Amino acid sequence: QVQLQESGPGLVKPSGTLSLTCAVSGGSMSSIKWWSWVRQPPGKGLEWIAEIYHSGTSNYNPSLESRVTISVDKSKNQFSLNLNSVTAADTAVYYCAAYTPFGGFDPWGQGTLVTVSS
Amino acid sequence: DIQMTQSPTSVSASVGDRVTITCRASRGISTWLAWYQQKSGKAPKLLIYDATSLQSGVPSRFSGSKSGTDFTLTISGLQPEDFATYFCQQTNSFPWTFGQGTKVEVK
Repeated sequence: QVQLQESGPGLVKPSGTLSLTCAVSGGSMSSIKWWSWVRQPPGKGLEWIAEIYHSGTSNYNPSLESRVTISVDKSKNQFSLNLNSVTAADTAVYYCAAYTPFGGFDPWGQGTLVTVSS
Repeated sequence: DIQMTQSPTSVSASVGDRVTITCRASRGISTWLAWYQQKSGKAPKLLIYDATSLQSGVPSRFSGSKSGTDFTLTISGLQPEDFATYFCQQTNSFPWTFGQGTKVEVK
């Protein structure tokens, strides 16, 4: 059973870069082909950020595309998110998730809170 | 972007009640609609995919339906563990988008 675990700094300074990694365990990244990042500001709804295919093909949310890079490292069974030029508006719980073949995300990581503050 | 308009924003209900939550897509999304349950401090949990298919391990009191661009999540016989926030999501067109959420609260 595939499990996901996010890791990365919990505090990032304004104008800095948010960098997170999602470790995939319990299965090969090639078994679930698309891997996503989703975020949720405190007390608010969910926003899809980006996804990457196990081969490296990616798709981005246009609202964030100019600041986001998603990458995959199959040798380490992990994928990563970089978000640059962050502001307080980027403060959120960041989740990684797997996209199932029939639509919907499952499983999800437990989420990691990233706060943007000086 | 496809807008997912979810209603109501919140609903007060009692154990045993039937609860219905609706999501309306701003344009056609076929059956590329998923429903999630989220409890406080936890990640969302997939309940329904492909508009009407029950995810493995999810109780059968949860069901999904579709009528045009309107999608409905029904909880038949609300249980104490069902008090949570529910979200819909479309994966028909990029960017994937979510509804605003519906909080099911104790009446």
